Amino acid sequence: GAVVSQHPSRVICKSGTSVKIECRSLDFQATTMFWYRQFPKQSLMLMATSNEGSKATYEQGVEKDKFLINHASLTLSTLTVTSAHPEDSSFYICSARRVEGVYNEQFFGPGTRLTVL
Amino acid sequence: RKEVEQDPGPFNVPEGATVAFNCTYSNSASQSFFWYRQDCRKEPKLLMSVYSSGNEDGRFTAQLNRASQYISLLIRDSKLSDSATYLCVVNPMNTGFQKLVFGTGTRLLVSP
Repeated sequence: GAVVSQHPSRVICKSGTSVKIECRSLDFQATTMFWYRQFPKQSLMLMATSNEGSKATYEQGVEKDKFLINHASLTLSTLTVTSAHPEDSSFYICSARRVEGVYNEQFFGPGTRLTVL
Repeated sequence: RKEVEQDPGPFNVPEGATVAFNCTYSNSASQSFFWYRQDCRKEPKLLMSVYSSGNEDGRFTAQLNRASQYISLLIRDSKLSDSATYLCVVNPMNTGFQKLVFGTGTRLLVSP
């Protein structure tokens, strides 16, 4: 299957700092990437849809000024958690949508575990 | 009501057992359905898509009942390596593989 990477895999930061997470599609171009968040024992919740060259679409309840998304190229989307607080501690997972003709599937990155102290 | 509901389990079964997971979804207009597998502290991985006619992939069989808005996954001859959380996933829109709505997952523990 296709490969999607995320960096960093784990980050611990102090409250009030900003953290940037990168999501890359390594062997295909992705016009659409998605950012999810998963709290312990809960399901993945879609935060936003990232479209290359345009603004991200945020889900209801997700603050766009707190979770900045940039999709500047067909292989890279970044999520910046600004002024992080302990309640932002979570597992952040991106996915990239691969489309080839009628074939279309989302491939997930390995996730980034964020801990805010 | 949650968009996608699953029994969280855990389901504890011995090796070789057959186990079935169920899932219900609330949006009757949903078009695409999937089962994903997620190992502890890892990303979800697509196990199989679910088609109206039902489909089988080796030991795994998925069924869809649109009238009841119900999806199932059957695992035959369970292996230790099947231990994981199984996520029922629905695409509520007829726009291809766009937004995915995940259930909370059903945890399976297969013991020797």
